[in-house]
Amino acid sequence: AQSVAQPEDQVNVAEGNPLTVKCTYSVSGNPYLFWYVQYPNRGLQFLLKYITGDNLVKGSYGFEAEFNKSQTSFHLKKPSALVSDSALYFCAVPRDTNAGKSTFGDGTTLTVKP
Amino acid sequence: NAGVTQTPKFQVLKTGQSMTLQCAQDMNHNSMYWYRQDPGMGLRLIYYSASEGTTDKGEVPNGYNVSRLNKREFSLRLESAAPSQTSVYFCASSRDRDETQYFGPGTRLLVL
Repeated sequence: AQSVAQPEDQVNVAEGNPLTVKCTYSVSGNPYLFWYVQYPNRGLQFLLKYITGDNLVKGSYGFEAEFNKSQTSFHLKKPSALVSDSALYFCAVPRDTNAGKSTFGDGTTLTVKP
Repeated sequence: NAGVTQTPKFQVLKTGQSMTLQCAQDMNHNSMYWYRQDPGMGLRLIYYSASEGTTDKGEVPNGYNVSRLNKREFSLRLESAAPSQTSVYFCASSRDRDETQYFGPGTRLLVL
């Protein structure tokens, strides 16, 4: 069964500081990994994905994520946080066919304070 | 290019009433999904349709039915609404199973 875990419900950072939102995964074979963002009262929006190749993936709004196979992690990062980055972030793997489960993490609320 | 659209945006139902949530995508995607989002529980898959003409149960299908009317449209029906179905419902689509999902704006449902 495929799954992801986001160990932190909440991450708080000051504007201008680097941010990290953590995700670990459990998949068989080569993983496809995604990050999505949800702003208040909106649907989820795609940020970036890892399929294969370079372990550092660059995405929208200056975000990037580092795939680490040995640690089974896919942490989302940004060098300098903005107040407008405050949102709910989801890590995801493709749907687990056998279990019929959606394989989104529970989400991490990022709050960037001025 | 509207992407994924959902109607209605907000609905209030009484226990026992029925309703259908509509979803349409204009990206020629094969796969479509219905999720519900509840506080502290992330996104839970209700039903999905891997391709036109097929539907399968997700993690929480009880109390719901779906119809993949054509490639564009995927509707979710509540036959007899219950307060436990109070939630925000999202429709999504993707080109194929392993591809990026594109989400609609959501339907906020309150069942009294």
